[in-house]
Amino acid sequence: KAGVTQTPRYLIKTRGQQVTLSCSPISGHRSVSWYQQTPGQGLQFLFEYFSETQRNKGNFPGRFSGRQFSNSRSEMNVSTLELGDSALYLCASSEGSGNTIYFGEGSWLTVV
Amino acid sequence: AQSVTQPDIHITVSEGASLELRCNYSYGATPYLFWYVQSPGQGLQLLLKYFSGDTLVQGIKGFEAEFKRSQSSFNLRKPSVHWSDAAEYFCAVGAYGGSQGNLIFGKGTKLSVKP
Repeated sequence: KAGVTQTPRYLIKTRGQQVTLSCSPISGHRSVSWYQQTPGQGLQFLFEYFSETQRNKGNFPGRFSGRQFSNSRSEMNVSTLELGDSALYLCASSEGSGNTIYFGEGSWLTVV
Repeated sequence: AQSVTQPDIHITVSEGASLELRCNYSYGATPYLFWYVQSPGQGLQLLLKYFSGDTLVQGIKGFEAEFKRSQSSFNLRKPSVHWSDAAEYFCAVGAYGGSQGNLIFGKGTKLSVKP
């Protein structure tokens, strides 16, 4: 079974631009969550989607948004990029409550 | 407030020596507990998890962890460390029966292995 797949793996954006990151969960997994990892703040929860509905949201500004499609694939978008948005963005999937959460390799975003 | 504390930022052990990485949590509900490992530039790989039942759980790569409710701890152990174990280790807690996507992570412990 293929793991969690994230694209693109690496990208560089300019301040003020927007970015969309994609995540394909493990087949059969309906829950997808997103995390931001930075050296200073560590791993922080962004949001979780289950069956196309946002089920939980972390403490991030409205510039960070996401969605989930009917095939469970998910995208997250960051608008009006700031230098501080440079981070590794990790996607994770699970079958739902009570099940193990598996992470992808991440998307490295650099904002210049 | 819900939190996970990994007191050791960086640990160095000799190859073949035993290892214990500490994790303490503060969580109002019954927790799910996880240990993940991250190699440089990579995502997180699950080492082991505790949901319920036996408080000593076995994971991959020879790791084990013991859940101690009275101490709010979930320490990770390995009897003999290999050079390939050098990586960063993260302890995480999630809500039992709740939203599974919202894990709270510790700041991580970086493990270095001396030959």
